[in-house]
Amino acid sequence: QKEVEQNSGPLSVPEGAIASLNCTYSDRGSQSFFWYRQYSGKSPELIMSIYSNGDKEDGRFTAQLNKASQYVSLLIRDSQPSDSATYLCAVYTGTASKLTFGTGTRLQVTL
Amino acid sequence: DTAVSQTPKYLVTQMGNDKSIKCEQNLGHDTMYWYKQDSKKFLKIMFSYNNKELIINETVPNRFSPKSPDKAHLNLHINSLELGDSAVYFCASSWTGDGYTFGSGTRLTVV
Repeated sequence: QKEVEQNSGPLSVPEGAIASLNCTYSDRGSQSFFWYRQYSGKSPELIMSIYSNGDKEDGRFTAQLNKASQYVSLLIRDSQPSDSATYLCAVYTGTASKLTFGTGTRLQVTL
Repeated sequence: DTAVSQTPKYLVTQMGNDKSIKCEQNLGHDTMYWYKQDSKKFLKIMFSYNNKELIINETVPNRFSPKSPDKAHLNLHINSLELGDSAVYFCASSWTGDGYTFGSGTRLTVV
């Protein structure tokens, strides 16, 4: 089992819709969770962090964490074509201080 | 003023050559990292330094040698380059346990 799993997509949503991106992780001891956005040919950019169970909202983005189910998700409301990118889930795993990344979900927002 | 800067942005070189990539961060972070992103866009950690001390050394060929002269700089030297080393190499920095800030990446092509 991979440490951090994401559906590679592409996930296609129409403009204005809600995009839902999902991630599961294997290390029950993980405490810190992050979502990064990566445009083609660019570096990953941190967009959300979440540390406790529940929802965390920042503008059009909502991160959701369920540690019992080892599940973290990212919702993007009112999706825009500029949201089209690969979204990477990242989790601090193990005792070493390192982020383990999922393989990313490619999101396409269509007009 | 760029937070994490990497040079060069592109590197094209022949097999067997030795090359270096430099990274500098002006965020005052205590930890710096090298990640490799392969053709399938998977980000995998290579090395991590905390206050100039090597704390993570993943299973990487010993042709790769990191060096951190101070906590703001982390360089990567690669000896005897092979075709399989072609990838994008990202430098990143963070406070311990926090989200990363990535550099713009170095696209290495070995021919």
